[in-house]
Amino acid sequence: SAVISQKPSRDICQRGTSLTIQCQVDSQVTMMFWYRQQPGQSLTLIATANQGSEATYESGFVIDKFPISRPNLTFSTLTVSNMSPEDSSIYLCSAKSGTAVEKLFFGSGTQLSVL
Amino acid sequence: SQQGEEDPQALSIQEGENATMNCSYKTSINNLQWYRQNSGRGLVHLILIRSNEREKHSGRLRVTLDTSKKSSSLLITASRAADTASYFCATGTQGGSEKLVFGKGTKLTVNP
Repeated sequence: SAVISQKPSRDICQRGTSLTIQCQVDSQVTMMFWYRQQPGQSLTLIATANQGSEATYESGFVIDKFPISRPNLTFSTLTVSNMSPEDSSIYLCSAKSGTAVEKLFFGSGTQLSVL
Repeated sequence: SQQGEEDPQALSIQEGENATMNCSYKTSINNLQWYRQNSGRGLVHLILIRSNEREKHSGRLRVTLDTSKKSSSLLITASRAADTASYFCATGTQGGSEKLVFGKGTKLTVNP
């Protein structure tokens, strides 16, 4: 299994500012995934982050708005840029463990409110 | 687009009763997984069933998969108040993609 530490757990931000969310995994993982969960909704994949390459973004999400870093096999960040109230969501990072390549392990989530 | 559609959207039962949640999906899959989420926090993997399997058990959980109907069900037996959470199905699609697509979830409340 993999344990993922995600921070911050919650934040309240002003419109127009940016927030960077960090995820640290306790083991090396090839692929990390960033999801958004809007209030009362399911999870929507933002992007897949592989170490050593550019993140792959899903339809509707762009790098300028959600830049992602993946400097090594245990760490990734997601930045929510130029925030608006519509960005208020829970943001979740996840990873696949090398020993259980099909299932995802999740961080505890970042609850973001934009005023 | 969402792959899985769970029903019911919400389910309220008494402790000790069984809870059944259903999931339907649209495309061919490699596997189907169920996750649990407490109070909008991180998800926890519960069980995975492969496309060539029909039923799987894990403790009080029983999952079935009907690929002809593109549907799955999750049964929680002898429910407890601690089972109160949202439950999501997620599908891993054929074609080599590593990503999972999540359904809309069922919010389960188990009353003591």
